[in-house]
Amino acid sequence: EVQLVQSGAEVKKPGESLRISCQGSGYNFAKYWINWVRQTPGKGLEWMGKIDPADSYSTYSPSFQGHVTMSGDQSISTIYLQWSSLEASDTAVYYCARRRAVAAPFDAFDIWGQGTMVTVSS
Amino acid sequence: EIVMTQSPATLSVSPGERATLSCRASQNIRGDLAWYQQKPGQAPRLLIYGATTRATGVPARFSGSGSATEFTLTISSLQSEDFAVYYCQQYFNWYTFGQGTKLEIK
Repeated sequence: EVQLVQSGAEVKKPGESLRISCQGSGYNFAKYWINWVRQTPGKGLEWMGKIDPADSYSTYSPSFQGHVTMSGDQSISTIYLQWSSLEASDTAVYYCARRRAVAAPFDAFDIWGQGTMVTVSS
Repeated sequence: EIVMTQSPATLSVSPGERATLSCRASQNIRGDLAWYQQKPGQAPRLLIYGATTRATGVPARFSGSGSATEFTLTISSLQSEDFAVYYCQQYFNWYTFGQGTKLEIK
C-alpha cells in the first residue's frame, strides 16, 4: 500500500524547536516530490513548500521562507519539517503530501499523510 | 499569487440530489486544477485532477469541468458519505487552495 505516515501530535512552548516527520512506503520514495501543507481554521489550506527526496533540494513558499526548514533522509524514506523557534501562530495541522506525477513541474497531490497537530502555547 | 475563490461557502443539498460546486481562479490556469474532499479529522483526498480526470477509486458520480478561470465539481446523486468539505487547488504556478465549500445535508 502506498502511504505517508506522519509523526504524532506535539505540544510546545513559544521559542522551542520542533521537528516533525513524514515517512513514505509502498513506492519509490526518491522519485516523487513531497509537499508540506498547513491547515488552520482561519487560513484554510496553505502550501508551505516542497522537497525532492532524491537530493533534498527544497523550494519554499514566500510566506514560510526563513521560518521553517525541510530536510530528508532517503535511506529511511523520511522527510522532515522543522522550526528553530516556534510561535503561537504556528499552531496548526501539518500535512505532507506526494505530488502525483514524476515528471511534471507541478501536479495534484495524490497521497497525503494523516496530519500532525502542532500546538504552541505558553 | 493566484487566488482561488470557491462558492458557495456552504451548500445544503438532500441525499440523492445533485450538487454543483464552483471555483474561480484569478488568472488563466489552463486545466491545472484539482478537487479534494476532506472529512472531519481526516486528510484531504484527491478526487479530480487536470480539471476533469477522476483519481483512482473515485466514484463516477463525481465529475469535474471547466478551464481557464472557471471550474465546477458536480456530484450527480449525493450519498451520505459525500457530505464533507471540498477544496479546489491550482497547480499552474506553484500551489494555492480555495477556502472550501462545506456540503451539508438539507
